[in-house]
Amino acid sequence: DAGVIQSPRHEVTEMGQEVTLRCKPISGHNSLFWYRQTMMRGLELLIYFNNNVPIDDSGMPEDRFSAKMPNASFSTLKIQPSEPRDSAVYFCASSLQDKGREQYFGPGTRLTVT
Amino acid sequence: GEDVEQSLFLSVREGDSSVINCTYTDSSSTYLYWYKQEPGAGLQLLTYIFSNMDMKQDQRLTVLLNKKDKHLSLRIADTQTGDSAIYFCAEKGPGRRALTFGSGTRLQVQP
Repeated sequence: DAGVIQSPRHEVTEMGQEVTLRCKPISGHNSLFWYRQTMMRGLELLIYFNNNVPIDDSGMPEDRFSAKMPNASFSTLKIQPSEPRDSAVYFCASSLQDKGREQYFGPGTRLTVT
Repeated sequence: GEDVEQSLFLSVREGDSSVINCTYTDSSSTYLYWYKQEPGAGLQLLTYIFSNMDMKQDQRLTVLLNKKDKHLSLRIADTQTGDSAIYFCAEKGPGRRALTFGSGTRLQVQP
């Protein structure tokens, strides 16, 4: 299995620009999570989906952040407009609903907003 | 809310055992995890333990859970330089799908 795939691996953008991060979960997994990792706040859950439906988005920082999961094999996290404080590593993870104890992470996207 | 605490740094010599500690606050936690993160990489699931267990061993890794004290530890036997990484403790409660992570412990292995 290819594991969780994220793209791009690195993104550098200017403040005010739109950023779209992409994730392909492990085939057959029906829960998908977006996390953000920063030095100051560690790993934080942003949102998670179950069967393509957003279940908990209470971790999404503000309206500039949005996430979609149009099908079982693809999810996006969009930031519009981006700000320097959004600079972080964004991780996507997936799990099987009935074996949700094992959550597998992608390699992450390192976002730098200048 | 849930909280998970870890010490920030641990240094050991190659060949020694490493013990990384974690405390958590949610007494209803059902699963507790250890993840490893190498520089520039994602989080690798090392092992996890169900809350009704007090020990789990997997090759060089031993997880100990003291549910009464809400204390979790990861022991790495015969630590190698390749074990140098950040180790994250995480917990999941009943009915919750997302994990709550600690801040990570950086393990440095001296040759």
